[in-house]
Amino acid sequence: GQNIDQPTEMTATEGAIVQINCTYQTSGFNGLFWYQQHAGEAPTFLSYNVLDGLEEKGRFSSFLSRSKGYSYLLLKELQMKDSASYLCAVRDRTGSGAGSYQLTFGKGTKLSVIP
Amino acid sequence: DAGITQSPRHKVTETGTPVTLRCHQTENHRYMYWYRQDPGHGLRLIHYSYGVKDTDKGEVSDGYSVSRSKTEDFLLTLESATSSQTSVYFCAISGGNGYTFGSGTRLTVV
Repeated sequence: GQNIDQPTEMTATEGAIVQINCTYQTSGFNGLFWYQQHAGEAPTFLSYNVLDGLEEKGRFSSFLSRSKGYSYLLLKELQMKDSASYLCAVRDRTGSGAGSYQLTFGKGTKLSVIP
Repeated sequence: DAGITQSPRHKVTETGTPVTLRCHQTENHRYMYWYRQDPGHGLRLIHYSYGVKDTDKGEVSDGYSVSRSKTEDFLLTLESATSSQTSVYFCAISGGNGYTFGSGTRLTVV
């Protein structure tokens, strides 16, 4: 199985930078995802890392180190609308069926952006 | 997302009754997933499917069954609903490197 850890809550100031960390333990690693989820809504895709390094997409960046079982999501120039939960998820190939993949989520980090 | 829809959006049911939730996709994706989301637990995998009639259990499968007779439909059945199954249920589809979630079904068991 998987063990995915991320902080429960974080608070940051509008315009600032925040880094949300995620550590994981898994076998058959096949990629790490970050999702954003506003209250009462479905998760929406932010980023995907399968190789080590930094992926940048506008104000959001995600980093992966497979050897350390570690990822972070970096949010720059924070806006009030960034207040949401951020979910770290790991995909691995652990199912019993041929070619079956599972995506397992951490419990999420609730980010509050304050003026 | 227009490519995946869940029904119903909200449901209240009584303890002991069977309930079926439906997930429908128009993307022709092979993989489909059912998750439940609860405060303090995050998203937990119930069952998933990697093709028609190919399904497997997830982390919290007890009390749930699934069926996939067509690529586009993945059904989740609570055989005898209990109050512990009150939750928000999300269906997801996977194609390429992305996962797309449905809007969710809020189920209350009274």
